[in-house]
Amino acid sequence: QKEVEQNSGPLSVPEGAIASLNCTYSDRGSQSFFWYRQYSGKSPELIMSIYSNGDKEDGRFTAQLNKASQYVSLLIRDSQPSDSATYLCAVRERDGGSQGNLIFGKGTKLSVKP
Amino acid sequence: DVKVTQSSRYLVKRTGEKVFLECVQDMDHENMFWYRQDPGLGLRLIYFSYDVKMKEKGDIPEGYSVSREKKERFSLILESASTNQTSMYLCASSFVGSGGAGLHFGNGTRLTVT
Repeated sequence: QKEVEQNSGPLSVPEGAIASLNCTYSDRGSQSFFWYRQYSGKSPELIMSIYSNGDKEDGRFTAQLNKASQYVSLLIRDSQPSDSATYLCAVRERDGGSQGNLIFGKGTKLSVKP
Repeated sequence: DVKVTQSSRYLVKRTGEKVFLECVQDMDHENMFWYRQDPGLGLRLIYFSYDVKMKEKGDIPEGYSVSREKKERFSLILESASTNQTSMYLCASSFVGSGGAGLHFGNGTRLTVT
């Protein structure tokens, strides 16, 4: 059973701090990794994708991938109250039958305190 | 911007009714998905489709069926609604490209079965 694990939180950080969200996955052959943000009562929205080992930066967000450790993380710099949401880690299943399926973690709830 | 439209935001149905949830996407995506989301259980894949008239079971297909007669439209059918199908239902779409691509979600349908 392929799994994606996240700490459910809640993770609470003060405004302006760095929020660090972590995710591990079980399928060593996975190639594509995604972070979604979901505000309460809303649908998930894609905020980052990463395919290669290392860091990928987009504004205040940095995704980090370490395939050897089967670990992906999301850093949010200068956290704002508007970043308060649940963050879902998703991993694309290896090709070979399922086309485009993502396996989702259960999400980490982030709370940014003013 | 990709738009995924779900026909209803809220639905209330009675046990035993046949329920249709409709989803339309406007980006010519090959893949379409139906998920349900429940507290503590995360996003679970019900069915997906990677082409017209093609469908594959996800993790929890029991009690559901789907229809994809046109590329842009993917319907979820609850043959005989039961109270344990009360949930948030999310439709999503994606294209299959190099490195994969994340999902674009609709706004969700909150279904209550009484």
